[in-house]
Amino acid sequence: EPEVTQTPSHQVTQMGQEVILRCVPISNHLYFYWYRQILGQKVEFLVSFYNNEISEKSEIFDDQFSVERPDGSNFTLKIRSTKLEDSAMYFCASSVNRWDGYTFGSGTRLTVV
Amino acid sequence: GENVEQHPSTLSVQEGDSAVIKCTYSDSASNYFPWYKQELGKRPQLIIDIRSNVGEKKDQRIAVTLNKTAKHFSLHITETQPEDSAVYFCAAGGGSNYKLTFGKGTLLTVNP
Repeated sequence: EPEVTQTPSHQVTQMGQEVILRCVPISNHLYFYWYRQILGQKVEFLVSFYNNEISEKSEIFDDQFSVERPDGSNFTLKIRSTKLEDSAMYFCASSVNRWDGYTFGSGTRLTVV
Repeated sequence: GENVEQHPSTLSVQEGDSAVIKCTYSDSASNYFPWYKQELGKRPQLIIDIRSNVGEKKDQRIAVTLNKTAKHFSLHITETQPEDSAVYFCAAGGGSNYKLTFGKGTLLTVNP
């Protein structure tokens, strides 16, 4: 079964540093997403990306965040200057259509110290 | 925006019993309602979904019902097994949105 892959699985970073989280969506999927989950809490939407542009973003997704699809396969989330409260599990997801086959990656656990 | 409420937050059942988890949503434009199972430290995995043109959907021991008028949907697991123990999330999406809005999750424990 095709999978969404994410790297790294764990990332520890100093407050104020930039981090880039990487995702390889399923190859025939057209819609890409980033979600995050603070430990023990619900999954929260960050941003959706379609047709090489952001289609929707949440209030969490402020100027410190950016997304990119630098080539035909990778989808990245950059946090420019990390804060302690950015510590969370970040999940990438992709789907063929907007509401079909929405698959999550295994996540990157980001710890900001 | 959409708001999804999920109850209960924890549910403990004996193996073989049924489990029911309920969600309500606020945006009448939502038309897609998936359920995800998340085991500790792992990714959410889609277990079943329903669209607004259907009132009920079943897949072996799992079923989901949707009441669009009342804006609520439920997950039913029959003949529960210890491996069903996990956190279950409901979500809602659709309309002009690209996102899924998740409930806060239900920790289901199935006792052998």
